[in-house]
Amino acid sequence: TQLLEQSPQFLSIQEGENLTVYCNSSSVFSSLQWYRQEPGEGPVLLVTVVTGGEVKKLKRLTFQFGDARKDSSLHITAAQPGDTGLYLCAGAEAGGTSYGKLTFGQGTILTVHP
Amino acid sequence: EAGVAQSPRYKIIEKRQSVAFWCNPISGHATLYWYQQILGQGPKLLIQFQNNGVVDDSQLPKDRFSAERLKGVDSTLKIQPAKLEDSAVYLCASSQEGGNEQFFGPGTRLTVL
Repeated sequence: TQLLEQSPQFLSIQEGENLTVYCNSSSVFSSLQWYRQEPGEGPVLLVTVVTGGEVKKLKRLTFQFGDARKDSSLHITAAQPGDTGLYLCAGAEAGGTSYGKLTFGQGTILTVHP
Repeated sequence: EAGVAQSPRYKIIEKRQSVAFWCNPISGHATLYWYQQILGQGPKLLIQFQNNGVVDDSQLPKDRFSAERLKGVDSTLKIQPAKLEDSAVYLCASSQEGGNEQFFGPGTRLTVL
């Protein structure tokens, strides 16, 4: 069973601060996804990274996939209260009957105070 | 484009009772997933369907959980009998065949008393 460890589990910061969330595994994934989930809703996909070393930017969010495709990070610059939510990383398996199967980390609960 | 629909949104039952959840995926999506998300944890895959066939149910507690997708469109997940530890949000997701992106419904929050 492939496992993903996210850290930190909780993050409480003030508006305008920067933060980084980490997602680590001992397993290699074909791709890694980051989701954001708000209370009472399902997760919504933010980004998919596929290539080792890949960096993607989404406004103030920067996502990086590790060179060995075992880890990833999410960096938020100048956090805003609207960024508050549960951030989940998910590794995708590839091949055979496992195609499309996602293994989720336990999530990071981010609270940004005005 | 309509998203993934789930019902009910909330359900409260007593232990040993039965409960069923319904999911209607995005039109044309061949793959359907059921996840269990316990408070404070990430979603855990219970079962994956490709059209009306089961691709992966290795983490489904088959002594009490069952799921079907008879016509390859909507799906039902059943728990019989429920235990206290089944209290969780049950998420349904769908994706295009061969697609990497999963689209999630709002979930059903189950409380077992």
